[in-house]
Amino acid sequence: GAVVSQHPSWVICKSGTSVKIECRSLDFQATTMFWYRQFPKQSLMLMATSNEGSKATYEQGVEKDKFLINHASLTLSTLTVTSAHPEDSSFYICSARKGSEQFFGPGTRLTVL
Amino acid sequence: KQEVTQIPAALSVPEGENLVLNCSFTDSAIYNLQWFRQDPGKGLTSLLLIQSSQREQTSGRLNASLDKSSGRSTLYIAASQPGDSATYLCAVWDNYGQNFVFGPGTRLSVLP
Repeated sequence: GAVVSQHPSWVICKSGTSVKIECRSLDFQATTMFWYRQFPKQSLMLMATSNEGSKATYEQGVEKDKFLINHASLTLSTLTVTSAHPEDSSFYICSARKGSEQFFGPGTRLTVL
Repeated sequence: KQEVTQIPAALSVPEGENLVLNCSFTDSAIYNLQWFRQDPGKGLTSLLLIQSSQREQTSGRLNASLDKSSGRSTLYIAASQPGDSATYLCAVWDNYGQNFVFGPGTRLSVLP
């Protein structure tokens, strides 16, 4: 199999602060990583596709200036929620593509007070 | 735009029953289809991956089938157990392998 980690697993922050979430592929290189968001009792929604060495592709309705994605290496993608507000509280999950499969991280629960 | 639906939204059954969970997708041009399990507050556990050229995959008590032409997949769970209680999500990749779309999930409760 392939392992994807996320850090932190949970974070609580004050409104207006920025939060960075890391997604790492531990035993493989991933040219493409994906970021998803899941609100309570809802399914996962793709936020953006992160490609190593190039700009991320954002889904419609996702603010690229608010959700900054950096994929600087083949094993690391970061999502920074800038000026977080309570409505950004959610479960954020990343995945990394390996061949014809995606492998998912354990998720990060963000709570903005 | 690909849309994925799942029925039923929720299911509660006594232990030992055989179950069928349904997944439908609107665009049959898919790269693959994957079934996941999600426990409350947790991440995803991949159960079965079916490539577009395949018709079914089996793992233990789980069997997933794929009918691309009709835009349907089913997940069959044999001899259900309380430990199977979770939300089951199906997701499809578009034909270019770029866009992964999730269904809303089926919340399963298996009662002892």
